[in-house]
Amino acid sequence: QKEVEQDPGPLSVPEGAIVSLNCTYSNSAFQYFMWYRQYSRKGPELLMYTYSSGNKEDGRFTAQVDKSSKYISLFIRDSQPSDSATYLCAFIQGAQKLVFGQGTRLTINP
Amino acid sequence: NAGVTQTPKFRVLKTGQSMTLLCAQDMNHEYMYWYRQDPGMGLRLIHYSVGEGTTAKGEVPDGYNVSRLKKQNFLLGLESAAPSQTSVYFCASTGGGQGAMNEQFFGPGTRLTVL
Repeated sequence: QKEVEQDPGPLSVPEGAIVSLNCTYSNSAFQYFMWYRQYSRKGPELLMYTYSSGNKEDGRFTAQVDKSSKYISLFIRDSQPSDSATYLCAFIQGAQKLVFGQGTRLTINP
Repeated sequence: NAGVTQTPKFRVLKTGQSMTLLCAQDMNHEYMYWYRQDPGMGLRLIHYSVGEGTTAKGEVPDGYNVSRLKKQNFLLGLESAAPSQTSVYFCASTGGGQGAMNEQFFGPGTRLTVL
């Protein structure tokens, strides 16, 4: 069983739609839960991170963590074409090492 | 600040050739990492370093070597390239520190093709 499972998509939605991206994980030792965004032919950039179960909002983005179910989600409201990218969930292990999901490629159609 | 830079941006090798990828950061970060990214596989950690002069193996270290002679540089070497090493390679760095979340900053990537 992989430590992290993420639906690779691709996911294509119309502009203005609500997008839901999800990951499951198996390692109870993961403490920080992150979402990275990666534009085509660029390096990943940290979008959001959270430490505890519950929701964290940042503008149109909401990160949700359910530690009991080992499930994290990223919601994008009022999606824009500029949100088109690959989204990777990530978790921290020791020495600040990151464990990534496979990434979901998202396209927002105008 | 340039952040994290990688050299070269693109490279084509023949099987058996060797090469070195250079990563440099100007943020005075302690921790540096090398990842590879393959379709459907996300990013996988190859090697990492928690300080100048130290290195450690990650998830997929076979066929690669690394060195961290200077704090700002982290080199990834391929001694005898194989087609399975065709990938996009990313370097990252962070300030480190146990028990805290420190953002990893990524370079722009090196696209390597091994024929």
